[in-house]
Amino acid sequence: KQEVTQIPAALSVPEGENLVLNCSFTDSAIYNLQWFRQDPGKGLTSLLLIQSSQREQTSGRLNASLDKSSGRSTLYIAASQPGDSATYLCAVADSSYKLIFGSGTRLLVRP
Amino acid sequence: GAGVSQSPSNKVTEKGKDVELRCDPISGHTALYWYRQRLGQGLEFLIYFQGNSAPDKSGLPSDRFSAERTGESVSTLTIQRTQQEDSAVYLCASSFGNSGANVLTFGAGSRLTVL
Repeated sequence: KQEVTQIPAALSVPEGENLVLNCSFTDSAIYNLQWFRQDPGKGLTSLLLIQSSQREQTSGRLNASLDKSSGRSTLYIAASQPGDSATYLCAVADSSYKLIFGSGTRLLVRP
Repeated sequence: GAGVSQSPSNKVTEKGKDVELRCDPISGHTALYWYRQRLGQGLEFLIYFQGNSAPDKSGLPSDRFSAERTGESVSTLTIQRTQQEDSAVYLCASSFGNSGANVLTFGAGSRLTVL
């Protein structure tokens, strides 16, 4: 059974810092891995999708890597801003349609 | 529509009552998903629709839960005889195809509180 773990559960950093969020999964047979952002009272916003054949994806200040063999992904946020404060969720697609989510990392970027 | 719309946004009900949660997916999205998020936890898969058929209902927690979809449009998640452990945010998402290659767009969710 696929399990997804995110570390740390919460993180507080001063504005401007570069930071890394970690995600690990137990079964390397995945279709893709996705990172989402969740703001209070709102739905999830898709940030990056990495197909199983890819190693990384970049969007603006965000970079996500995928190492299937070790069951790990990282989300790198450069030059963090207070507007980046949110919960970041990692999810792996263990079939063509089902996502298995981690519990998320709550990020606070202090001005 | 421009996004995935869910209603009601908040629902408070008494234990034992039935509730219906509605999801309007993005027009043209053939795939629709329901997930549940309990407080402080990640999302749990409930059910997946491709068109109006549900190839995978394995995530529905019990026979009190059911869902249907009309064509490639609106979906309704029904919870009968609600229990306190049903309290959660119920999130709906849609995509052009399945999530193997396509980005999911989520609605804002329906927060259910069972007293």
